[in-house]
Amino acid sequence: GAVVSQHPSWVICKSGTSVKIECRSLDFQATTMFWYRQFPKQSLMLMATSNEGSKATYEQGVEKDKFLINHASLTLSTLTVTSAHPEDSSFYICSATRPGGEDTEAFFGQGTRLTVV
Amino acid sequence: LAKTTQPISMDSYEGQEVNITCSHNNIATNDYITWYQQFPSQGPRFIIQGYKTKVTNEVASLFIPADRKSSTLSLPRVSLSDTAVYYCLVAEGDSSYKLIFGSGTRLLVRP
Repeated sequence: GAVVSQHPSWVICKSGTSVKIECRSLDFQATTMFWYRQFPKQSLMLMATSNEGSKATYEQGVEKDKFLINHASLTLSTLTVTSAHPEDSSFYICSATRPGGEDTEAFFGQGTRLTVV
Repeated sequence: LAKTTQPISMDSYEGQEVNITCSHNNIATNDYITWYQQFPSQGPRFIIQGYKTKVTNEVASLFIPADRKSSTLSLPRVSLSDTAVYYCLVAEGDSSYKLIFGSGTRLLVRP
């Protein structure tokens, strides 16, 4: 089946630094990818929609200047957490939907655990 | 806001059948119903998807009544490894839909 891969799986960074998380669709092209954030014991919260070749669409309350999204190719979207602070520590997950057909399925990456110290 | 409502948690024992019901009263004509499973520190994994009536695959069955305002995920003979959070989602069946997650159902399977 289709696979979406995230890198890194976990990262620890110092407060004030920036961290980049990559999301790749390995065997299909994804014009649209999605980024989620998940805090412990909570559900996934959609942060933004990443559109290939255009600006990302952010959900209400998500700071676009803090969470920079770049979707430069049909198989790669990146999320950069800029000037990270401890409250940004969370589990970040991306997804992509394989295009075509009525019976569509979203594929999720394995997630990236970000810890800001 | 999530379009779905599920029980927060359920308990079961190994070997039992587990049925998790999801309400989606405002489901649209173009919406499909999809269930995902999530283990701790992993991304969600697709279980099953349906539009109406019954769908069955190798891991689960999905029952959808005629009005489509609810659906039931049925897990036959659960094992300890089925302990996870299960999410019911509704979204349009095209390639660009975004999935809004509700609270999910935390299933605990006991020995």
